[in-house]
Amino acid sequence: QKEVEQDPGPLSVPEGAIVSLNCTYSNSAFQYFMWYRQYSRKGPELLMYTYSSGNKEDGRFTAQVDKSSKYISLFIRDSQPSDSATYLCAMRSRSGGYQKVTFGTGTKLQVIP
Amino acid sequence: GAVVSQHPSRVICKSGTSVKIECRSLDFQATTMFWYRQFPKKSLMLMATSNEGSKATYEQGVEKDKFLINHASLTLSTLTVTSAHPEDSSFYICSARGWQLTETQYFGPGTRLLVL
Repeated sequence: QKEVEQDPGPLSVPEGAIVSLNCTYSNSAFQYFMWYRQYSRKGPELLMYTYSSGNKEDGRFTAQVDKSSKYISLFIRDSQPSDSATYLCAMRSRSGGYQKVTFGTGTKLQVIP
Repeated sequence: GAVVSQHPSRVICKSGTSVKIECRSLDFQATTMFWYRQFPKKSLMLMATSNEGSKATYEQGVEKDKFLINHASLTLSTLTVTSAHPEDSSFYICSARGWQLTETQYFGPGTRLLVL
């Protein structure tokens, strides 16, 4: 079993739709959770960063963490064609000085005008 | 803030040559830099972690003599692919993290390497 599972998609939605992207994980030591957006042939861009259960909102983006279920989500409201990209979840533990980040495989999202 | 640059953005080289990729943190001091490799439709694969002034820590299966990493300053790390072969062709991405352990990584734009 992979430490982080993420549906690769592709996920196609019409413009304006609410998008839900999800990851599950198995390592209970993970304490910090990130979502990155990666456009084709570009480096990942940090979207959201959280370390507590619950919701964190930033503009059209909401990150949700449920540590009891080992499940994280990213919601995108009023999706735009410019949101078309691959979304990577990432997480790491807190302990130690060397904190390796584990990434999901990414979900490819296409927002259709 | 938290901008990371990479140079070059793409490079084509002949088999057997060496290629150096630079990663710079432009507006913060990066105590730790990471080098990743990404294959098409695959997740990021961590190659090595480097802390300023010390030797890099390589992940299992990554040849340290093939992928030389130098982190000489708080704003610059380099990855040198020595004696490159076609199977080294890939997308190489660096990331950097500041001194606070709770800070996350910020990624560079990546370097596409094609070895002929």
